[in-house]
Amino acid sequence: AQKITQTQPGMFVQEKEAVTLDCTYDTSDPSYGLFWYKQPSSGEMIFLIYQGSYDQQNATEGRYSLNFQKARKSANLVISASQLGDSAMYFCAMREGEGTGGFKTIFGAGTRLFVKA
Amino acid sequence: EAQVTQNPRYLITVTGKKLTVTCSQNMNHEYMSWYRQDPGLGLRQIYYSMNVEVTDKGDVPEGYKVSRKEKRNFPLILESPSPNQTSLYFCASSLWGTSSTGELFFGEGSRLTVL
Repeated sequence: AQKITQTQPGMFVQEKEAVTLDCTYDTSDPSYGLFWYKQPSSGEMIFLIYQGSYDQQNATEGRYSLNFQKARKSANLVISASQLGDSAMYFCAMREGEGTGGFKTIFGAGTRLFVKA
Repeated sequence: EAQVTQNPRYLITVTGKKLTVTCSQNMNHEYMSWYRQDPGLGLRQIYYSMNVEVTDKGDVPEGYKVSRKEKRNFPLILESPSPNQTSLYFCASSLWGTSSTGELFFGEGSRLTVL
């Protein structure tokens, strides 16, 4: 069954340090996309980064990078040089069925990140 | 401004009183979806739509209905709300196709309380 697992309910990081948020997934579909979204305390959902299952290189977007290990089925988010504004809930998500036209997206339970000054 | 608009943002209702949460997007996106967010469970997909008149169930469709009569609108209908439908609801849309990563654009959320 399709599943996204985020094993860290909460994490602390010192400002300016890097932090890795874990995400593992399970799917039998060979074609899928992996996403990370940020939810600040204000509640909106913000797209951060995308990795396609056939992409050879890890995705990067500014201070965000996705450490994609396909064989291990992991898609960890790395935030470099943490800022106070990075304090938020982070969700890993997977969209399956891209090869067949399906578009079901599932989310993990989330990791709440606290950045300390 | 490109956006997904949900209404109402906050609603308190009583068990059994039919309600509709509207969702509209101005980005000409084919794909639209509804999620509910509950503590410790992340976001769970209720229904999604690939295009006009094309809808499909997500993981938690029980107690909900949707329709997609126009490309821009995707209302969520609770015919007979129950307390276990108390939640934060998000509508989202995205492009569909190989030319897009298909990231979701979310509305601001609708907090629903069923007494």
